[in-house]
Amino acid sequence: KAGVTQTPRYLIKTRGQQVTLSCSPISGHRSVSWYQQTPGQGLQFLFEYFSETQRNKGNFPGRFSGRQFSNSRSEMNVSTLELGDSALYLCASSTTGQGSYEQYFGPGTRLTVT
Amino acid sequence: QKEVEQNSGPLSVPEGAIASLNCTYSDRGSQSFFWYRQYSGKSPELIMSIYSNGDKEDGRFTAQLNKASQYVSLLIRDSQPSDSATYLCAVKDAAGTALIFGKGTTLSVSS
Repeated sequence: KAGVTQTPRYLIKTRGQQVTLSCSPISGHRSVSWYQQTPGQGLQFLFEYFSETQRNKGNFPGRFSGRQFSNSRSEMNVSTLELGDSALYLCASSTTGQGSYEQYFGPGTRLTVT
Repeated sequence: QKEVEQNSGPLSVPEGAIASLNCTYSDRGSQSFFWYRQYSGKSPELIMSIYSNGDKEDGRFTAQLNKASQYVSLLIRDSQPSDSATYLCAVKDAAGTALIFGKGTTLSVSS
């Protein structure tokens, strides 16, 4: 079974621009969660989608948004990029939403904001 | 603020030794606990999950959970240089589906 895929793998953007990242979960997984990883803060939860609905949201500003499609693929958008948004963005999929237990990560998208 | 605490390390052990990694968490209602391994430049890989008090063994890995003490540990027996990585403890919060991660412990196994 194919794993979680994320595109693009690397991205360089300029401050003030916006960016969209994509995630395709493991086949049959309906829950997709997004995380930001930085050396200083570690892995931080952004939000989780299940059946096209946002079920949970972390403590990030409204510039960070996401959505999920009917095929469970998910996108994450960051508007008005700031230098501090430079990070590894990871998505993880699991079989169910509420009560979901084991999450499997994709390879991540490395975003650099200059 | 729900927190998961880990010693950052580095934890250095010789090849063949037992590596012991520890984690404490603040949300007493947490029910699900996970250990992820992350090699440099790679994404986290799930290696163990544990939901009940006690020990759970999988090959060279043993996860231990003590909910009363809010403590989770991971033992790696017969450590190999390939085990050198950062180990992340993750706790599913009681209220929702978010995983709260510790900042990880870096393990170095020398041959």
